Amino acid sequence: EAGVAQSPRYKIIEKRQSVAFWCNPISGHATLYWYQQILGQGPKLLIQFQNNGVVDDSQLPKDRFSAERLKGVDSTLKIQPAKLEDSAVYLCASSLFSADSPLHFGNGTRLTVT
Amino acid sequence: SQQGEEDPQALSIQEGENATMNCSYKTSINNLQWYRQNSGRGLVHLILIRSNEREKHSGRLRVTLDTSKKSSSLLITASRAADTASYFCAPNAGNMLTFGGGTRLMVKP
Repeated sequence: EAGVAQSPRYKIIEKRQSVAFWCNPISGHATLYWYQQILGQGPKLLIQFQNNGVVDDSQLPKDRFSAERLKGVDSTLKIQPAKLEDSAVYLCASSLFSADSPLHFGNGTRLTVT
Repeated sequence: SQQGEEDPQALSIQEGENATMNCSYKTSINNLQWYRQNSGRGLVHLILIRSNEREKHSGRLRVTLDTSKKSSSLLITASRAADTASYFCAPNAGNMLTFGGGTRLMVKP
């Protein structure tokens, strides 16, 4: 099966600019996750979708981050405006049913904010 | 949600030796999952162990779970240089996975 696809692979922007990341999960996977991974740390959950509804977004900085899952398939994560501390790898993952089934991760988008 | 905490933070061994990583968590869980991450890549799922299971094997991997102590361990036997990676445990409580800081394993040839 095809894996989780993410784009772009790398992005460099200046602070206060906006940026968007795209994720295409594995076909048929109901649950989609966005994680933020700062260098040297473990992934931190930003938002979890079940189909096109939000299960949890308690750690999403809603004043600058937004995410949507279109028709329960693809998803975009946007940051506007970006801050220096947003420099990180943004990982998208999907699972068949929920967190009771294994997560499949994409290779991430590495964001550098200068 | 709750986070797993891995111990040690870093581990360096020789090829052929066994590597043991530990994970502790705080609340009741549905299951606990272990993942591997190679540098510059996404995480790869290794093993899922359910709360009513005590031990699970997959190839050279052995995972144990002690719900009374709220702890789990991952054992990699006969390690290879290709096992060099970061390893994360992720307790699943309330249908959400949260990851700790990981154990960085280096296997020297």
